[in-house]
Amino acid sequence: GAVVSQHPSRVICKSGTSVKIECRSLDFQATTMFWYRQFPKQSLMLMATSNEGSKATYEQGVEKDKFLINHASLTLSTLTVTSAHPEDSSFYICSAPGTNVYGYTFGSGTRLTVV
Amino acid sequence: DQQVKQNSPSLSVQEGRISILNCDYTNSMFDYFLWYKKYPAEGPTFLISISSIKDKNEDGRFTVFLNKSAKHLSLHIVPSQPGDSAVYFCAASVKTSGSRLTFGEGTQLTVNP
Repeated sequence: GAVVSQHPSRVICKSGTSVKIECRSLDFQATTMFWYRQFPKQSLMLMATSNEGSKATYEQGVEKDKFLINHASLTLSTLTVTSAHPEDSSFYICSAPGTNVYGYTFGSGTRLTVV
Repeated sequence: DQQVKQNSPSLSVQEGRISILNCDYTNSMFDYFLWYKKYPAEGPTFLISISSIKDKNEDGRFTVFLNKSAKHLSLHIVPSQPGDSAVYFCAASVKTSGSRLTFGEGTQLTVNP
């Protein structure tokens, strides 16, 4: 079945540095990728939608200059957290829609800790 | 504006009994609903879905019920097993191509042996 590979699974970085998270569709082409963030004991909140070859669409309240999304090819979408701060510590998950009978394929998530 | 709500943050049941997880939504445009199971530090795993043209969908031990007039859906797990212990999210979408999911807050299910 369709697989979305997400890396890294866990990253710890210092405040002020940038972190890149990658999601690759391994056996299908993902023209769209959804990026979610989950804080402890809270829901998965959609941050942005990336579309191959065009600008990402950000949800209200999400800083586009802080969370840079690139979807340069049909198999790779990246989220870069720039100038990370401790409040950016969260669990980030990507998802590609419409890839199987279940409708959505999720990556395994990235636990970001900013110290 | 929380369009999908799971009002019970946790649920504890005995092995072999029925687990019932509830979900309410406010957006009448939603026409496709899904339940996901999630372990810590992992992505959600699909369990079962239902289209708004149905009121029930069953898959093995899992059954989802949809009450459109009440904007309410529920997931029944019977019999519950200790391996079912996880956080369960309901999600909703407008079933057009590439449409996004809106998630509830999740319910932590604990099945005691």
